[in-house]
Amino acid sequence: SQQGEEDPQALSIQEGENATMNCSYKTSINNLQWYRQNSGRGLVHLILIRSNEREKHSGRLRVTLDTSKKSSSLLITASRAADTASYFCATAPYGNNRLAFGKGNQVVVIP
Amino acid sequence: EPEVTQTPSHQVTQMGQEVILRCVPISNHLYFYWYRQILGQKVEFLVSFYNNEISEKSEIFDDQFSVERPDGSNFTLKIRSTKLEDSAMYFCASTTGISEDQPQHFGDGTRLSIL
Repeated sequence: SQQGEEDPQALSIQEGENATMNCSYKTSINNLQWYRQNSGRGLVHLILIRSNEREKHSGRLRVTLDTSKKSSSLLITASRAADTASYFCATAPYGNNRLAFGKGNQVVVIP
Repeated sequence: EPEVTQTPSHQVTQMGQEVILRCVPISNHLYFYWYRQILGQKVEFLVSFYNNEISEKSEIFDDQFSVERPDGSNFTLKIRSTKLEDSAMYFCASTTGISEDQPQHFGDGTRLSIL
C-alpha cells in the first residue's frame, strides 16, 4: 500500500528563520501533498505537487519532489509564531484519493 | 470559507456500545472520506464514499464500521460494537470531484474515547 513517511522531526526555531522538513515514500505516486495541523484542530491543505513537477512555491512555502529518490521537502521561509504546528506529507496513488500520511513533523517557532 | 464540520468534538463511550460520528461536508463536494489518528500515530485512511456507495476501504474498515449519507448534507461513520483500540481522533474530509489532484478539506475531528 502507499505510504507517505517523513523523517520525524521536532524542530524548534526562532521567528524569522527558515524551517525545512523532509518526507520519504515507498511506492509510485500521482501527487504528494503537505498538510498542517494545529493542536486540537483538523488538517489544513497547504500545497500539492504533482509527480511530474520538481518544485512548487506558494507564498512562503516551497516544496520539492524527487521521484527518483522518492522524497520531498517542505521549506517555510521567514517563519512566524503562527507557523507553530505539525506538518504532514501525504501521498496519493494513481486512480484514487486515498491519502497515505506520514508521522508528521512538529515545528515550534519561538517569537 | 466553507468548512467541513464534525460533531461531537469529543465522544466518550463504554466498550461494546455503538457510536455514530457525524460530519457535514462542504455543500458542493462529491467525495467524502473518513480517516482516524490514534494518539501518537499516523493519520490512517478508513473509507471513501461517492455517489452513495463506498469507493474504497482500508483493512481497518471491517464489519464493525459502516458509513451512510442519510440525507443531502450529513455523512456518518458508525462503529457497531466499540473496542478499546477504537479510541482515536476521527477526521472527516471531502473533495469536489474525482481527480486525484483535488485537495481534501478536513474537519476538526471527533475525539473518541472508549472506556
